[in-house]
Amino acid sequence: SQTIHQWPATLVQPVGSPLSLECTVEGTSNPNLYWYRQAAGRGLQLLFYSVGIGQISSEVPQNLSASRPQDRQFILSSKKLLLSDSGFYLCAWQNRGTQYFGPGTRLTVL
Amino acid sequence: AQKITQTQPGMFVQEKEAVTLDCTYDTSDPSYGLFWYKQPSSGEMIFLIYQGSYDQQNATEGRYSLNFQKARKSANLVISASQLGDSAMYFCAMREGPFNNAGNMLTFGGGTRLMVKP
Repeated sequence: SQTIHQWPATLVQPVGSPLSLECTVEGTSNPNLYWYRQAAGRGLQLLFYSVGIGQISSEVPQNLSASRPQDRQFILSSKKLLLSDSGFYLCAWQNRGTQYFGPGTRLTVL
Repeated sequence: AQKITQTQPGMFVQEKEAVTLDCTYDTSDPSYGLFWYKQPSSGEMIFLIYQGSYDQQNATEGRYSLNFQKARKSANLVISASQLGDSAMYFCAMREGPFNNAGNMLTFGGGTRLMVKP
């Protein structure tokens, strides 16, 4: 069966510091992968998606970037965090049109 | 205009009773999919049920069923025999365009917080 992992689970970072969040999927090959952000008490906003290694599409312009260095690995990064980057970050993979989510990373920028 | 609207910010239901969570959507694409997700306090988004725009019958998954009224553009989630563990946020989401297209992102509603009373 397929599983999706994210780490770290929680992160507290100062403004202006770099960021790296990792997502990996097991039990499948060449998955479509997605990064979402959820602000407190809100729905999810799609940030990036990827259909293969090195292929990244951005939905929202911002100071975040994404990379897919391996088939089942998806990384969300920032060179300098802003206060507005605080939120809950969820990675998802798609199977037959349905997206399945990882456990998420709660990021607080101080 | 919002594409997914959930008008109930919060709802209470008595344990063992049924509850309906409302969702209306807006799209001009004839091909779309509607999803419901549950988000407990742990934060993980759990897929519950899916309804395709061309599906003739309402989707059902265990205690979950989707009341799909295409002409009204509504896709309400019905939870039967509520349990304490059903207390969570529930999100309705829509995918516009062909099935399994990676570029067709999910658009989420604002969510409904369901609280099950013992």
